[in-house]
Amino acid sequence: GESVGLHLPTLSVQEGDNSIINCAYSNSASDYFIWYKQESGKGPQFIIDIRSNMDKRQGQRVTVLLNKTVKHLSLQIAATQPGDSAVYFCAENMEYGNKLVFGAGTILRVKS
Amino acid sequence: NAGVTQTPKFRILKIGQSMTLQCTQDMNHNYMYWYRQDPGMGLKLIYYSVGAGITDKGEVPNGYNVSRSTTEDFPLRLELAAPSQTSVYFCASSPGGGNYNEQFFGPGTRLTVL
Repeated sequence: GESVGLHLPTLSVQEGDNSIINCAYSNSASDYFIWYKQESGKGPQFIIDIRSNMDKRQGQRVTVLLNKTVKHLSLQIAATQPGDSAVYFCAENMEYGNKLVFGAGTILRVKS
Repeated sequence: NAGVTQTPKFRILKIGQSMTLQCTQDMNHNYMYWYRQDPGMGLKLIYYSVGAGITDKGEVPNGYNVSRSTTEDFPLRLELAAPSQTSVYFCASSPGGGNYNEQFFGPGTRLTVL
């Protein structure tokens, strides 16, 4: 079936460096792609989304890039901080009911 | 607004026992969802609802039941608990209607079935 998956299970970066988290998806029919952050013991928290007719969207310290040609999604975090340490999930929106299909997640560890 | 609240936070069940996981949202959202998250994995959709009185199966509905009698509440029922249902359960809600909109998640219920 269709799925959303991640390339790297764990990413370690130095505080102040930029982080890039990658995601591959297979369902080209999805309208939206979303990044969530999940801190230990908490529910996922929305970070940023991008519609399928866009290739880049920027937020505060975060940028999402969408490459529909190779079905690839990435999340860039600028000047990574210790508070960014968490598990990051990509998800795609599945039409009726606003359903989400989640990838497996990437652990981001920020070293001080 | 409290957002999405879930009770209990933790629960241990014996095989064959039943329980209801509670979920309430105070944002007047039409859409609500139940997900499970196994260790080291992403979230998988169990059931969802697009409004009071309407529920639909998600990716992994077997062993669960839901009801949606009010806009605010979306309880998840486990009738005969099995070890495979050991997981963290998240409830979420979104305004619904039309295009995609953000889902808001509760803090989760950690369930262990022994």
